[in-house]
Amino acid sequence: GNSVTQMEGPVTLSEEAFLTINCTYTATGYPSLFWYVQYPGEGLQLLLKATKADDKGSNKGFEATYRKETTSFHLEKGSVQVSDSAVYFCALTPPSPGGGADGLTFGKGTHLIIQP
Amino acid sequence: GAGVSQSPRYKVAKRGQDVALRCDPISGHVSLFWYQQALGQGPEFLTYFQNEAQLDKSGLPSDRFFAERPEGSVSTLKIQRTQQEDSAVYLCASSLEELVEGADNEKLFFGSGTQLSVL
Repeated sequence: GNSVTQMEGPVTLSEEAFLTINCTYTATGYPSLFWYVQYPGEGLQLLLKATKADDKGSNKGFEATYRKETTSFHLEKGSVQVSDSAVYFCALTPPSPGGGADGLTFGKGTHLIIQP
Repeated sequence: GAGVSQSPRYKVAKRGQDVALRCDPISGHVSLFWYQQALGQGPEFLTYFQNEAQLDKSGLPSDRFFAERPEGSVSTLKIQRTQQEDSAVYLCASSLEELVEGADNEKLFFGSGTQLSVL
């Protein structure tokens, strides 16, 4: 079956540090890959996505590249801010067609803490 | 409201009680999902509705779990004879359109969830 593995947290960094949160996946074919963010007391929000190999998703200074050869989708940001403190989830959906209604498969989440 | 609304925000139940969790999706949204998020885990798919039709309920963990969306808008997740292992945050998500491809999940809006604690 499909699965997502991401690095354990919490990850604690100082402001302006470089961030990497590792994510690897297991799936047949070419799934769509996502990063979601959950701020305290709020619902999950889509951060970025990529739908095919070598695609790079980017948003709010975060980036992740779909690497088919390593089945990875690591999240990176060059300079983190205190406001980036949240829980980050890597997720996938099965390959199309028909993958839309199958639901997302999520990793366990990585709690990121940015200290001033 | 502007977003997906879930109620109650917190629910404490004694083991064996029945509970009902409500999801108000964004008005006009066709697709609706329920997810279960145990402590320290990622959300796990429970069920999917397209309008009033429950197209996939393969993620419901047991026959104690039942979901409905009778008029294609508000949805209720009911858990009968609750057990301690049912303790989790239950998330609802909706989308304006039918989700055809995996990438369409980018159009989902998530609620803040209902935290269920079974004592």
